[in-house]
This record gives sequence, C-alpha cells and structure tokens, in this order.
Amino acid sequence: DIVMTQIPPSLSVTPGQPASISCKSTQSLLDSDGRTYLYWFLQKPGQPPQLLFYEVSNRFSGVPDRFSGSGSGTDFTLKISRVEAEDVGVYYCMQCLHVPRTFGQGTKLEIK
Amino acid sequence: EVQLVESGGGLVQPGGSLRLSCAASGFTLGNYDMNWVRQAPGKGLEWVSYISSRGRPIYYADSVKGRFTISRDNANNFLYLQMNSLRADDTAIYYCARDPAWGTGIDYWGQGTLVTVSS
Repeated sequence: DIVMTQIPPSLSVTPGQPASISCKSTQSLLDSDGRTYLYWFLQKPGQPPQLLFYEVSNRFSGVPDRFSGSGSGTDFTLKISRVEAEDVGVYYCMQCLHVPRTFGQGTKLEIK
Repeated sequence: EVQLVESGGGLVQPGGSLRLSCAASGFTLGNYDMNWVRQAPGKGLEWVSYISSRGRPIYYADSVKGRFTISRDNANNFLYLQMNSLRADDTAIYYCARDPAWGTGIDYWGQGTLVTVSS
C-alpha cells in the first residue's frame, strides 16, 4: 500500500500569517495518463471532510484563492497565504492512484 | 445541490451485522463511482470500499474484505454497505463519498452515520 506522510501533525498560526503542510507518498502518484492523483481535504470541527484540491493543484469550487496546492511525483504541499479563523480543522492528503486509496494521518490547524 | 445522506448506523454487538444506506440526490447516481470511507473516534480517515457506476469493478480495504459488501441501486439512487462479522475496531463514522465526474478521487461527502460495535 502507498503510505502518505503529512508534516507537521499540527500547527498553530496567527491570523494573517502563512501556513504550509507537506505530504509525501512512498510511490509516485503520477499516472501513465499524465495526471497526478493527489487530493487535499479539510475537515472542519464536527463536519465531514470537504474537497480543497484535486490532482495536486486544481482548486475545487468555492475554495478561496489564499489556498494553493503544488508538488509532483511523491512530494506535495498545501499552502495558505494568510490564515483566517475559518481555516481551523484537520487537513488530509489522499492518493487515489492505487487501491487501496490512502490518506495522510492529518494535520491539525489551530489559530493562535 | 449534491446531497448524500447516510442512515442505518447504530449500536451492534461484536459478530453482528448492520446495513448502511446512502441516499443520493441532486445528481444521477448511476453516472458516478462511489465510495465508503470511515473515521474511528478521534482518528483519521480510512477508505473502506469503492464501486464503479455500473456495479463493477468493486474494491475493498483488506481490513473489511470478506466481511463487508458494497452495492448500489441506481434506479432508486441508493448506495449500500452490508457489514457482517462486526468487530470493535469497526466502530467509526461511516461516510458515503462520490467520485468526481472528471475522474478518480472524491468530491462530495455525506454527513456520516455512526456505527458502534460493543457488547
């Protein structure tokens, strides 16, 4: 199985400051079709996960442009340019190139 | 508006069975591949099972293979998860989740239904 490792496990950020989350996979997520199957989700407290990015850097509908996704192969990053209070929750990366689909262990974002 | 509403969760004894349902609305279920994903209390996300739009192929996590069965009723817009031989470590919120139209992944999630396996 592909193992997804997120760093850091948690971070505390002052509103208006940037934040960055790393996600590394044990195998390349680049498929022969040229697409890279790495997704990012945010699970706000008490809610189901919600999609932020698909295929590394494609922002899903309604996601603010202060969020950005980047990376390739096995190394990926989610960045928030200016953290806001509504961004609190747990961020997960997920690979869906291979079965079983696997998630990172999550990164909990808190506001200072 | 895409809506996925899970039901069927509850308290069940170890070794028991439960059938989860997911009612889909706001889109044509038969056009989408679907998944079940679970989350144990205070833990992260674990993918459980996948079923393609036509019903095959089907995939399972090793942790549930041979005990859980995913199925779908496209005519009535329902996704199901039959869970047998339940164990304490199956205790979790179970989410129904849709694959996107653009390909492989997950775009929408239901609110989840809680399954508790305990004597």
